[in-house]
Amino acid sequence: AQKITQTQPGMFVQEKEAVTLDCTYDTSDQSYGLFWYKQPSSGEMIFLIYQGSYDEQNATEGRYSLNFQKARKSANLVISASQLGDSAMYFCAMREAPGSGSEKLVFGKGTKLTVNP
Amino acid sequence: DGGITQSPKYLFRKEGQNVTLSCEQNLNHDAMYWYRQDPGQGLRLIYYSQIVNDFQKGDIAEGYSVSREKKESFPLTVTSAQKNPTAFYLCASSIVVGPRDEKLFFGSGTQLSVL
Repeated sequence: AQKITQTQPGMFVQEKEAVTLDCTYDTSDQSYGLFWYKQPSSGEMIFLIYQGSYDEQNATEGRYSLNFQKARKSANLVISASQLGDSAMYFCAMREAPGSGSEKLVFGKGTKLTVNP
Repeated sequence: DGGITQSPKYLFRKEGQNVTLSCEQNLNHDAMYWYRQDPGQGLRLIYYSQIVNDFQKGDIAEGYSVSREKKESFPLTVTSAQKNPTAFYLCASSIVVGPRDEKLFFGSGTQLSVL
């Protein structure tokens, strides 16, 4: 079964507007971590934001915030005030608890975001 | 500046040939990883290493081999047994393997194509 599902192959947003990229995950663990990475056309994966399953508040990093809904098993990335440089692939990833056999990082298939001027 | 260096940026393989992708890090990380990325797909784990002289298979290890003789280096060999090697290969490192908040640092990747 797929552990990470990103249902939006592509998204478009106008410059300076906010955009939400969807991510749902599947785990039976209570302890896990959720990550978002950005991959520009250069190919390098850039870490954006992290949310732990026990964190009570949604994570924020500058213009990035994570809308974490544990009961729904969703961890959507919100980018505020989009910039042209935000155009890239975005990947959601999860790591389950140490010792679970699934402590490696597992990635979704990604969402291609295009920011229009 | 600390980081991960992958070389070459582009690599071409002939039928029946083994090729080796280089990955070097100066972050003093114990753990290193190799991922494969196909168009429209997420990253899939090939091999990872938690410490020098030790490595484990990931989800798609068949047709690949690795070595970890030095902490800084984790080369990946794509053997002739890998029948569909065309892909983008990403090397990554982390301080250790396991903690749920342990983030990965990535290199800029190598695009491997078959001639």
